[in-house]
Amino acid sequence: QVQLQESGPGLVKPAETLSLTCSVSRGSISNYYWSWIRQPPGRGMQWIGFIYYTGRTNYNPSLKSRVSMSVDTSKNQFSLKLNSMTAADTAVYHCARVMTYGYPAWYFDYWGQGIPVSVSS
Amino acid sequence: EFVLTQSPATLSLSPGERATLSCRASQSVNNYLAWYQQKPGQAPRLLIYDASNRAPDIPARFSGSGSGTDFTLTISSLEPEDFAVYYCQQRSDWPLLTFGGGTKVEIK
Repeated sequence: QVQLQESGPGLVKPAETLSLTCSVSRGSISNYYWSWIRQPPGRGMQWIGFIYYTGRTNYNPSLKSRVSMSVDTSKNQFSLKLNSMTAADTAVYHCARVMTYGYPAWYFDYWGQGIPVSVSS
Repeated sequence: EFVLTQSPATLSLSPGERATLSCRASQSVNNYLAWYQQKPGQAPRLLIYDASNRAPDIPARFSGSGSGTDFTLTISSLEPEDFAVYYCQQRSDWPLLTFGGGTKVEIK
């Protein structure tokens, strides 16, 4: 079964850039869309963006000015950068795979456990 | 943005009872809705997609129904491992996917 594992710092200072990586194992990153989703404390989930294995991206309009995603197929990894961090960005950040039934279904069939990120000086 | 409202926020039930969870969309999402289960400290798990299709390896006690703006996740007889938080998600407004706020199913 495909496994996803997020890695990165658990604490970021205000105004700094968050950098997270998702490592995919027991499956190839190729031919799929991948996503980042976050969950602020006590609140529902927010979709951050997609990246295809070719590097094509779509971002949530509310975060688009601060987000970038990249993919490294040689390492079977994809990454998230979110700049100008504030306390409102404190959340658990999950990476996930977009379900495919011949074409993307835009639901998420495999998820990482999530990495908690706090923004504080 | 399509807003998904889940109710109730908390459902207190006993093992063996039937659970009925609701997800209401601010505008029609056709049948483009999924349900997930999340336990503390674990990754969310896809249960239902396109409103009524069970994901692979999901037990038959989980079922989904609805279309348009009103959707229901039913757990026919709660097992101890079913006590968790459940989220709905729509893909109708692609690429802007949105999630509901969640329903916690707790042991009474």
